[in-house]
Formats: sequence, structure tokens, C-alpha cells
Amino acid sequence: NAGVTQTPKFRILKIGQSMTLQCAQDMNHNYMYWYRQDPGMGLKLIYYSVGAGITDKGEVPNGYNVSRSTTEDFPLRLELAAPSQTSVYFCASSYGAYQNTEAFFGQGTRLTVV
Amino acid sequence: EDQVTQSPEALRLQEGESSSLNCSYTVSGLRGLFWYRQDPGKGPEFLFTLYSAGEEKEKERLKATLTKKESFLHITAPKPEDSATYLCAVQAEDSSYKLIFGSGTRLLVRP
Repeated sequence: NAGVTQTPKFRILKIGQSMTLQCAQDMNHNYMYWYRQDPGMGLKLIYYSVGAGITDKGEVPNGYNVSRSTTEDFPLRLELAAPSQTSVYFCASSYGAYQNTEAFFGQGTRLTVV
Repeated sequence: EDQVTQSPEALRLQEGESSSLNCSYTVSGLRGLFWYRQDPGKGPEFLFTLYSAGEEKEKERLKATLTKKESFLHITAPKPEDSATYLCAVQAEDSSYKLIFGSGTRLLVRP
């Protein structure tokens, strides 16, 4: 089982460029999430989705967009990259029902904006 | 506002020296409290879920406990391979199942 797969693993962007971080899960989970983690900090929720076609903002959504056209994929779009978006980005998914609510994480995408 | 605070920020132990990590939380209706382990350059790895006060879970040298205001992760006779950052997160009783994380405790176990 691949679990949650994120691509790319590393990326350097110039200020003002755009990119899409890819996330795919093969566990048939309805719930998917994007978090960012800054050095020495916990994870902050950017956006989440409770199913295909449904997305909502988390704690730090500014500068990001998401879409969820399928159950498996949840890409995160950065428009007009800024140095403040330098971070490690984690995608996660969960079954989200009864007592199977734990989230499973990908290996992360380390993004540097210069 | 839902909040999670972990202490200490960093902990150094000798191999075999038992200790505990603390996670205190405020949440408007707790669905679950989660412990994760994170190694450098990796994503968080799920360890435990606790759903109600008084509940305990164990896995090898780790034991997690939960009260109405805090959770403890007890590490018994740790080994160097237990060195990692341990993250605590809470999940509120809403429809999103999203997690609110603390900033973690960096654990170093020296041989």
C-alpha cells in the first residue's frame, strides 16, 4: 500500500511564481487535509476536504487554493509565491468515521521561496 | 478557541531513563486526542488515539493516558531509536475531523 503520496519532495520557487503540490491517497478515505509546518512549530491546517467536490478553509488559507475532483487526489495550488510560504507541506487523509478518525500523512514537500 | 500546549519543548534522556511528555488542551467538545511520532525529514507517524478520560493505550515502551484537561505520553526505559519529535493533536466534535496540533516535544535518548 502506498498510503499518501506527495510530489514533489523538494522545490525552489522564485517570488511571484506559481506551482501545484500534488497529493494522492489509495486508502479510499473521504477526508483529506493540507498542513504546513514551520521550523520548531506544530502543523497548521491550510485547507481540508470532506469529500469529492467539497473543500473548506483551515487556519492559514491565504495564498493557497485547493480542488477535490476525485476521492483520491487533493492538489494544493500556490499562486504568486511569497517568502512567507517557505515551509514543509504535509498532505493527510482519514477515514473519518466512528473510531477510525486518525489521519495518515505523506512524507512532505519542502518548499523554499527565494 | 481550541488549543494544544506541549511540554517540555525538548527533553534529553539517558538510555533506560523513564520520563513523561505532557499535552494540555482546551477544546469545545473532544472527539479524540492523538499522539504522533515525527522523525527528521518525515511525515508524522500515527501512534495512539484516546477518546475518553481515563483511557490508556500502550505500544512497546510507550503508554498514553488521558484526563479531561491533559494527556501524558510515558516512555519507559527508552532506547536511542525512540529519539524523535512527539506531536499531540486534538480533534473536536465537528464534521471535519481536522486535527489541531501542539508544537511538539523533541526527545533525544543518548546511549
